[in-house]
Amino acid sequence: QKEVEQNSGPLSVPEGAIASLNCTYSDRGSQSFFWYRQYSGKSPELIMFIYSNGDKEDGRFTAQLNKASQYVSLLIRDSQPSDSATYLCAVPNTGNQFYFGTGTSLTVIP
Amino acid sequence: EAQVTQNPRYLITVTGKKLTVTCSQNMNHEYMSWYRQDPGLGLRQIYYSMNVEVTDKGDVPEGYKVSRKEKRNFPLILESPSPNQTSLYFCASSLSIDRNSPLHFGNGTRLTVT
Repeated sequence: QKEVEQNSGPLSVPEGAIASLNCTYSDRGSQSFFWYRQYSGKSPELIMFIYSNGDKEDGRFTAQLNKASQYVSLLIRDSQPSDSATYLCAVPNTGNQFYFGTGTSLTVIP
Repeated sequence: EAQVTQNPRYLITVTGKKLTVTCSQNMNHEYMSWYRQDPGLGLRQIYYSMNVEVTDKGDVPEGYKVSRKEKRNFPLILESPSPNQTSLYFCASSLSIDRNSPLHFGNGTRLTVT
């Protein structure tokens, strides 16, 4: 079982729609959860982090965490073509390693 | 400006010729790590360091070495590169993995081994 799993996509949504990205993790002791955005050939950049169960909103982005289900998601409201990228879920585990999912490729269609 | 700096950005070399990719951070971060990124496989951790003189293997350490003699620097060494080490490499740092702080990434090094 992989430490962090994501649906690789590709996911296509029309401009203005809500994009929903999902991630599951295996280490029940993990305490923090991060979402990164990566454009092709570039380095990952941090979008959001969440530590507590529930929702956390930052502008057009909402992160959702359910520790009982070991599930974290990212919602992007009012999707823009500039949101087209690969989104990476990252989870540090109790063994001091930072694990990443393989990423979900998102395309926002104008 | 707070940043992680890795060099070079692009490197083409031949099998067996030792090389070093440098990584430096100016944020006084304790945790540093190297990843390689390959299509379909995502980011895989090569080595990480919790602090000076403390290094540990990640999931794909074979063929790589690291050192952490100073807090700011974490070089990646390929003693005898092989074509299967052709990849995009990222150095990253975090204030402390224990404090739930995020990783900050360098700009990447694209390595080609022929």
